[in-house]
Amino acid sequence: GAVVSQHPSRVICKSGTSVKIECRSLDFQATTMFWYRQFPKKSLMLMATSNEGSKATYEQGVEKDKFLINHASLTLSTLTVTSAHPEDSSFYICSAYATEAFFGQGTRLTVV
Amino acid sequence: GDSVTQMEGPVTLSEEAFLTINCTYTATGYPSLFWYVQYPGEGLQLLLKATKADDKGSNKGFEATYRKETTSFHLEKGSVQVSDSAVYFCALSARGYSTLTFGKGTMLLVSP
Repeated sequence: GAVVSQHPSRVICKSGTSVKIECRSLDFQATTMFWYRQFPKKSLMLMATSNEGSKATYEQGVEKDKFLINHASLTLSTLTVTSAHPEDSSFYICSAYATEAFFGQGTRLTVV
Repeated sequence: GDSVTQMEGPVTLSEEAFLTINCTYTATGYPSLFWYVQYPGEGLQLLLKATKADDKGSNKGFEATYRKETTSFHLEKGSVQVSDSAVYFCALSARGYSTLTFGKGTMLLVSP
């Protein structure tokens, strides 16, 4: 099946700094990618839909100024967590759709 | 809104035991239903799906039947293996095939 690569798999950053997470579709083009967040013992929650060449569509309650999404090409979407705080610590996972949804490995973000 | 409820884990079984992981959903219309599996250190992979009532999805010995009357999509396997140890997510798609609503995930631990 199609492969989606997400990087980094783990990152620890200091409070107040920004962190960028990359999501790449390796063997297919994806005009639309999705970013999810998972809190401990909770569902994966859709944060935003990333559209190539246009602005992302954010779900209700997600701060677009904190979670910046850029979908600059058909194979790359990035999520930047700006001015990170400990409450942003979570598991972030991306997916891209091609006949079905293919998921990246996820990124464990820890803000200290 | 749409939601998925699945049983809390971890589910601990011995090899060759019978597995059931319960999943119920709430959605408007007629959603498609999915089970995803996440092995340690990997991304989510589609395990099986069903797109309409009474459909049975099956793969790798796992199966689940779309029950509209009980709004359920329980995952079953007759004889689990150690290699089945993973986290299993039930999900639905009611807003278009690419946008998913997930349950919290159920960890399965199979011992020899």
